[in-house]
Amino acid sequence: GAVVSQHPSWVICKSGTSVKIECRSLDFQATTMFWYRQFPKQSLMLMATSNEGSKATYEQGVEKDKFLINHASLTLSTLTVTSAHPEDSSFYICSARPVLGKGKYNEQFFGPGTRLTVL
Amino acid sequence: QKEVEQNSGPLSVPEGAIASLNCTYSDRVSQSFFWYRQYSGKSPELIMSIYSNGDKEDGRFTAQLNKASQYVSLLIRDSQPSDSATYLCAARNDYKLSFGAGTTVTVRA
Repeated sequence: GAVVSQHPSWVICKSGTSVKIECRSLDFQATTMFWYRQFPKQSLMLMATSNEGSKATYEQGVEKDKFLINHASLTLSTLTVTSAHPEDSSFYICSARPVLGKGKYNEQFFGPGTRLTVL
Repeated sequence: QKEVEQNSGPLSVPEGAIASLNCTYSDRVSQSFFWYRQYSGKSPELIMSIYSNGDKEDGRFTAQLNKASQYVSLLIRDSQPSDSATYLCAARNDYKLSFGAGTTVTVRA
């Protein structure tokens, strides 16, 4: 149980285009999903917290107008990188926290990640 | 000061040896702590979680937590080549995870 999928697994796009990444919890409902970014040889950096039915909360330094997050259902959150530029090339990883947030289920379950390359 | 700091690597150990990984955190209100394993090009995989002071064992892995010292460690016993990966320490505060930079472990056959 506790499987999270991401689509696409990798994407290459031209500078100036927008890219949408989907994050789905397959066998549980998640009121909260998290979006991380990881540059090579660096750790995961939280970009934003996505709550179902409400606006996402962005971490300091993350442009909310550039990284659009939608959490329309308890199993789906999307991250859209608008007007992507080469410096946005990174590994984007989502995680989901199950609705029942007690005990074992305090953990976040990670998706497999999406490798974005902007040319 | 970073919220979560890990001992710098890389760490190279022979097969069958014990790998010891350390982590300190700065926020005293952090509630729980996690060790993730990340293979190159893959997303993190949870291997241990710990919430209370003391030791927690799961197979070849033992996590230790000392909240007074704000210190978390992970021991990998009988290290195998498949344990070669980057290990990330994370502290949770109000459902947010803060990650350390990671320690890369190489197990030599």
